Amino acid sequence: DVKVTQSSRYLVKRTGEKVFLECVQDMDHENMFWYRQDPGLGLRLIYFSYDVKMKEKGDIPEGYSVSREKKERFSLILESASTNQTSMYLCASSLRGGEAFFGQGTRLTVV
Amino acid sequence: GQSLEQPSEVTAVEGAIVQINCTYQTSGFYGLSWYQQHDGGAPTFLSYNALDGLEETGRFSSFLSRSDSYGYLLLQELQMKDSASYFCAVRPPNKFYFGSGTKLNVKP
Repeated sequence: DVKVTQSSRYLVKRTGEKVFLECVQDMDHENMFWYRQDPGLGLRLIYFSYDVKMKEKGDIPEGYSVSREKKERFSLILESASTNQTSMYLCASSLRGGEAFFGQGTRLTVV
Repeated sequence: GQSLEQPSEVTAVEGAIVQINCTYQTSGFYGLSWYQQHDGGAPTFLSYNALDGLEETGRFSSFLSRSDSYGYLLLQELQMKDSASYFCAVRPPNKFYFGSGTKLNVKP
């Protein structure tokens, strides 16, 4: 069974903290993605990576960075967490086709 | 840039057929995907159309017209468990862009 695993299901962090969200896939996929999901806004692309050490900005990269040192792992970093980054964060991976596999999501609350 | 339009909410009765439309604008297009998401769950893949026409997978079918930048998801013999949000997503190179989702309410 294919699997995308996110390190935490729920996180509570303080404003100004540096936050790391980890994602691991076991399918040898080239492409990995980070989305945030907010009510009524769907899934918005933050960053994606199509190869190790390669990354590109999505639609809303401000306040975030990413790291992909190994093919199976894609990390999202909130440099200085703010309350407007309270959201559900979803990691996904895919090959070149139309199917993306999602992790279970991390619900982040910044207080 | 890209944009996707889909209805925000649809209600139908058990056993009925429902169609969820999606129109899109994107620079670079490989195909259109559909995902289902139950409350509290992760999106799961339903179907993908790279070429014009209808793709059928059990009770679900998906259609694409590239010339019209339009697709739809057709759900037949609706069941209560089909109550969920449905997202269309366009596939330019190396990424997916999602619509804002259609909440489907299935009533007895």
